[in-house]
Amino acid sequence: KAGVTQTPRYLIKTRGQQVTLSCSPISGHRSVSWYQQTPGQGLQFLFEYFSETQRNKGNFPGRFSGRQFSNSRSEMNVSTLELGDSALYLCASRGAGEDEKLFFGSGTQLSVL
Amino acid sequence: GQNIDQPTEMTATEGAIVQINCTYQTSGFNGLFWYQQHAGEAPTFLSYNVLDGLEEKGRFSSFLSRSKGYSYLLLKELQMKDSASYLCAVKDRSNYQLIWGAGTKLIIKP
Repeated sequence: KAGVTQTPRYLIKTRGQQVTLSCSPISGHRSVSWYQQTPGQGLQFLFEYFSETQRNKGNFPGRFSGRQFSNSRSEMNVSTLELGDSALYLCASRGAGEDEKLFFGSGTQLSVL
Repeated sequence: GQNIDQPTEMTATEGAIVQINCTYQTSGFNGLFWYQQHAGEAPTFLSYNVLDGLEEKGRFSSFLSRSKGYSYLLLKELQMKDSASYLCAVKDRSNYQLIWGAGTKLIIKP
């Protein structure tokens, strides 16, 4: 069974640009959540999608948005990038009956210059 | 408020035992997780505790005391490959979100 796949692995953008990150969950998993990870801080929850609906949302500005497709693949978009958005963005999927266990992708390292 | 505390960094010797502590304050508790994250890699699941007590899984054990808001991860017979960050996360029952600690970087020396 293939794991969670995130693309691209690395991204370099400049302030003001927008970016789209992609996540393909483990086959059969319908829940996808997104996290931001920066050095010295815990993972910060962005949002969770289940069956194409946003089920939960963290405390991030509206510049951060996401969506989920019928095949459970998910995208995250950040508009009007700021220097502080530089971080590792992790996607995690979860299946039914998995005791809440999250399976993470390797992340997208975003650098905003 | 919601808060998860764990030491920033720990150092231990190969073959020894190390205990990584995690204390938490949340408005509601619905389980505590430990994940391992090697540098540049995805976090991977280690354990999930809902009830008080010790759960052993090979060289790794996790302990929970809900009344004290406290957990620890115990690693025995340390190996060089155990050098990684260990993340503690608590599921908040009020909003079902995971609240994460900043992680403990464990350095194993020969």
